[in-house]
Amino acid sequence: AQSVTQPDIHITVSEGASLELRCNYSYGATPYLFWYVQSPGQGLQLLLKYFSGDTLVQGIKGFEAEFKRSQSSFNLRKPSVHWSDAAEYFCAVGLNFGNEKLTFGTGTRLTIIP
Amino acid sequence: DTEVTQTPKHLVMGMTNKKSLKCEQHMGHRAMYWYKQKAKKPPELMFVYSYEKLSINESVPSRFSPECPNSSLLNLHLHALQPEDSALYLCASSPNPTGTGGNTIYFGEGSWLTVV
Repeated sequence: AQSVTQPDIHITVSEGASLELRCNYSYGATPYLFWYVQSPGQGLQLLLKYFSGDTLVQGIKGFEAEFKRSQSSFNLRKPSVHWSDAAEYFCAVGLNFGNEKLTFGTGTRLTIIP
Repeated sequence: DTEVTQTPKHLVMGMTNKKSLKCEQHMGHRAMYWYKQKAKKPPELMFVYSYEKLSINESVPSRFSPECPNSSLLNLHLHALQPEDSALYLCASSPNPTGTGGNTIYFGEGSWLTVV
């Protein structure tokens, strides 16, 4: 069965600084990978996804992620964070067909300090 | 437009009440989902409907009863819930339930349920 690990429970970053959130997955085949963001009291918003092709994917709100098969990683990055980026971030992996059973990581809570 | 609409946004119910959560999407998606999310935890899959038929039930207690009246609507009927069922209930949809893979799941804003 697939699994996702987000090793950082909580990260604090200064506004304007760069950000990297880590995600490692375990899956026997080529995974379908997603990053979602959840602001307090809100639903999940899709930031970006990787299905195939270019391993560097661009998403919304200035985020990008890089798929590294050799490291089983799909880390999320942003060159300069804004106070509005404070939220919970979830990495998720889906199966080859349908992705009906998304498996989520435990999430990383991002705090932005002025 | 990738909008999944859920109502109500907040619901407080007693343990003997019967209530329903509603979800709607007009994106032509053929798979719809219910997830449950407890505080500071990731979402957990409850049910999946594919082409209006229940395809996955993750061993959810029978006090939760899903219904998919048509391809745009998904309901979750609630009866005799327990306080530990208090959580955020997320509805989601995706275009293609099976086959080609690479299916993206879009979530609604959720319904906050409190059982008293």
